[in-house]
Amino acid sequence: DAKTTQPPSMDCAEGRAANLPCNHSTISGNEYVYWYRQIHSQGPQYIIHGLKNNETNEMASLIITEDRKSSTLILPHATLRDTAVYYCIVRVGGYGGSQGNLIFGKGTKLSVKP
Amino acid sequence: GAGVSQSPRYKVAKRGQDVALRCDPISGHVSLFWYQQALGQGPEFLTYFQNEAQLDKSGLPSDRFFAERPEGSVSTLKIQRTQQEDSAVYLCASSFAQGYGYTFGSGTRLTVV
Repeated sequence: DAKTTQPPSMDCAEGRAANLPCNHSTISGNEYVYWYRQIHSQGPQYIIHGLKNNETNEMASLIITEDRKSSTLILPHATLRDTAVYYCIVRVGGYGGSQGNLIFGKGTKLSVKP
Repeated sequence: GAGVSQSPRYKVAKRGQDVALRCDPISGHVSLFWYQQALGQGPEFLTYFQNEAQLDKSGLPSDRFFAERPEGSVSTLKIQRTQQEDSAVYLCASSFAQGYGYTFGSGTRLTVV
């Protein structure tokens, strides 16, 4: 079973920041938080991951609380093309970690509206 | 290639028919994963290869499901005697090495009628 809890859906206005929450209260010390998204009729796409520090890349920012029990994915200026299902996943190991498969939950369906 | 390629894109099978789904991973990617995604659900892990070795097949739902990767590149997921509950999108992902970021294909949508 997925170890994360996400709201089933969210709306966001185009051009505004989209803030997607995720609860992972049972996360272990060696587990990272990963975010993927899946646009309709495509496979999941990696967005970002982190352990305990906040992370930023060209796609998004990841804010992890100090106790690591929750996190927020931030899309700073959402566009219509960001409409997708966003999955928050906790997984042992980082980018070079040893755990193989990803365990997906149901994710959050983000709808960006004009 | 530039990405993970899966074929066919769509497959309709009559119940009881055998099907074979193909995955061409990114060249040089050692790790390969198969996932099954039912409508409205997140992807669920089926099996994992490192080169030609199938290291984890714990997610295969029954012995009707079989996967192979004989030369450590192309992989085939075979489903024997398909049932209606096998209808789903089958996703393949590859990565440079175990634990590195995954690149997913667009999937094969299987419909069993």
